[in-house]
Amino acid sequence: QQQVKQSPQSLIVQKGGISIINCAYENTAFDYFPWYQQFPGKGPALLIAIRPDVSEKKEGRFTISFNKSAKQFSLHIMDSQPGDSATYFCAARGGGSYIPTFGRGTSLIVHP
Amino acid sequence: SAVISQKPSRDICQRGTSLTIQCQVDSQVTMMFWYRQQPGQSLTLIATANQGSEATYESGFVIDKFPISRPNLTFSTLTVSNMSPEDSSIYLCSVRTSGGYNEQFFGPGTRLTVL
Repeated sequence: QQQVKQSPQSLIVQKGGISIINCAYENTAFDYFPWYQQFPGKGPALLIAIRPDVSEKKEGRFTISFNKSAKQFSLHIMDSQPGDSATYFCAARGGGSYIPTFGRGTSLIVHP
Repeated sequence: SAVISQKPSRDICQRGTSLTIQCQVDSQVTMMFWYRQQPGQSLTLIATANQGSEATYESGFVIDKFPISRPNLTFSTLTVSNMSPEDSSIYLCSVRTSGGYNEQFFGPGTRLTVL
């Protein structure tokens, strides 16, 4: 049973647009929610993370929105650039486990 | 953060052979992990490797197929034994840092093709 559901599987956005990737989780004990960015041929890189005590975290053009009651969190990429084209993974960790559960990933393509 | 290197970066191997992947970290870490990522897929944890103890394997992975060594706090190896084409995948080393949010970082990966 997948504990973190990520959507969409793929996303195409025009340069300057907003990219939105959504994740939903089931385990209410999760208390740490990171996002990873992976370019082709590279390992995943930690992009931004949030804890459930805040509803939003922003770092540059990247924002995580967190809805604890709905058990959902999302990544927003403002002013998307072709260099943002990558696969994005959401993850969730907690409940006594130090091992994160990963979503299935979203392949983002930003057209110039 | 942690800087992780892996060797080899890629390899093409014949079925029935074994390949050992090395992972080196630039700082001492307690927890190291090995993941497998099949093309276009998410990350699947193979095992957790802690220094001074036996690796802990996830369901579906066994020590005879994926033996792991963890001789010190900065180094680990994963061996893929008796390979078959189904083992073709990207193998990723990962570490969990101490302090702060105990973030997890990944190496660049080893792309393995088994013919």
